[in-house]
Amino acid sequence: DAGITQSPRHKVTETGTPVTLRCHQTENHRYMYWYRQDPGHGLRLIHYSYGVKDTDKGEVSDGYSVSRSKTEDFLLTLESATSSQTSVYFCAISAKEVDTQYFGPGTRLTVL
Amino acid sequence: QKEVEQDPGPLSVPEGAIVSLNCTYSNSAFQYFMWYRQYSRKGPELLMYTYSSGNKEDGRFTAQVDKSSKYISLFIRDSQPSDSATYLCAMSAAGRRALTFGSGTRLQVQP
Repeated sequence: DAGITQSPRHKVTETGTPVTLRCHQTENHRYMYWYRQDPGHGLRLIHYSYGVKDTDKGEVSDGYSVSRSKTEDFLLTLESATSSQTSVYFCAISAKEVDTQYFGPGTRLTVL
Repeated sequence: QKEVEQDPGPLSVPEGAIVSLNCTYSNSAFQYFMWYRQYSRKGPELLMYTYSSGNKEDGRFTAQVDKSSKYISLFIRDSQPSDSATYLCAMSAAGRRALTFGSGTRLQVQP
């Protein structure tokens, strides 16, 4: 987890409320990713960023948006949280486009 | 059908056993193969990284890639209770910006 922090680490919220998760890195890596992890599904990519203000969708992007205004920060926003978005969210970083990724400690989100 | 298949386990072995963990995949373009270890309530940590086919060894861990069979393996020798975790395979291809993960195999090493 060195060099990558996520906040908050735990959050409980209600259906319909907006939620923003933050990923912060100190490695100056260009590429950043948001995944969700659910039993039986492994890690699934939500969105990724290949530079400041450059983002693209992953396989499970519906209901999520992202922003990256600085190299070190990548924000994931749930505009109107639903119970199906209850999950563990991981941020990852990599130095090159096709390269090993290093993961943060995760955020456990519960939507009631 | 998923691009990467991995038996979820759990796989239970006695301490000192040799463990074999496997993934199969369907996309012949995959060239980059990784194994991650994930302890309960922690983020995945990189264990092994292999490019294309062949073997790679690091201490008690050996990663094998057989591209002709679309099959990768991770072997753990002299397994320890501290190896108890979920092991995730991951892979990618040139031009892809993200990794494709297996769903993970839970390993329990009994003392």
